[in-house]
Amino acid sequence: GEDVEQSLFLSVREGDSSVINCTYTDSSSTYLYWYKQEPGAGLQLLTYIFSNMDMKQDQRLTVLLNKKDKHLSLRIADTQTGDSAIYFCAETGTGFQKLVFGTGTRLLVSP
Amino acid sequence: DAGVTQSPTHLIKTRGQQVTLRCSPKSGHDTVSWYQQALGQGPQFIFQYYEEEERQRGNFPDRFSGHQFPNYSSELNVNALLLGDSALYLCASSSNTDTQYFGPGTRLTVL
Repeated sequence: GEDVEQSLFLSVREGDSSVINCTYTDSSSTYLYWYKQEPGAGLQLLTYIFSNMDMKQDQRLTVLLNKKDKHLSLRIADTQTGDSAIYFCAETGTGFQKLVFGTGTRLLVSP
Repeated sequence: DAGVTQSPTHLIKTRGQQVTLRCSPKSGHDTVSWYQQALGQGPQFIFQYYEEEERQRGNFPDRFSGHQFPNYSSELNVNALLLGDSALYLCASSSNTDTQYFGPGTRLTVL
């Protein structure tokens, strides 16, 4: 079956690095995504990684994928107060790209 | 370049009523997916439309139906509203099976 799990809450200080973790169960996942949601808003695509990759870096964001353990992480370097939001991990199998989301990790960045 | 747009922004209905939500995809996209996000949860896939046909459907009752028009815009209809249908309804567009980009959502409140 398809299931994605995330820790619920993470609190960091401004300037620190944040690491948000995600585990998934669908071994046929083709792409894995990270989306950001600010209060009352839709989902903003942050980055994604193809399942045959181990790592992807995009400016302050680093995605690490351990396919054997079905573990995905998002590292945000030099975290800013504007990074405070809910972060969702999502996976999609082959076929028509239905996204399966985790419950989201609320990131709180304090000055 | 306009992103994904949704209307209305907010909607209040009473139990038993019917509602129609609308979505215009990002320019160049031909596929629309709908998701329901209950408070404090991750988005749940409702269905996806491609070439004016429902291509894939999640675990939602038949009260949820949709349509895609020749210009690729889409509607989500919910009949016989229940209190539990209160949620943020998100539309995502993509170019066929490519990455999905989300709109700002429609907040539906059922009283």
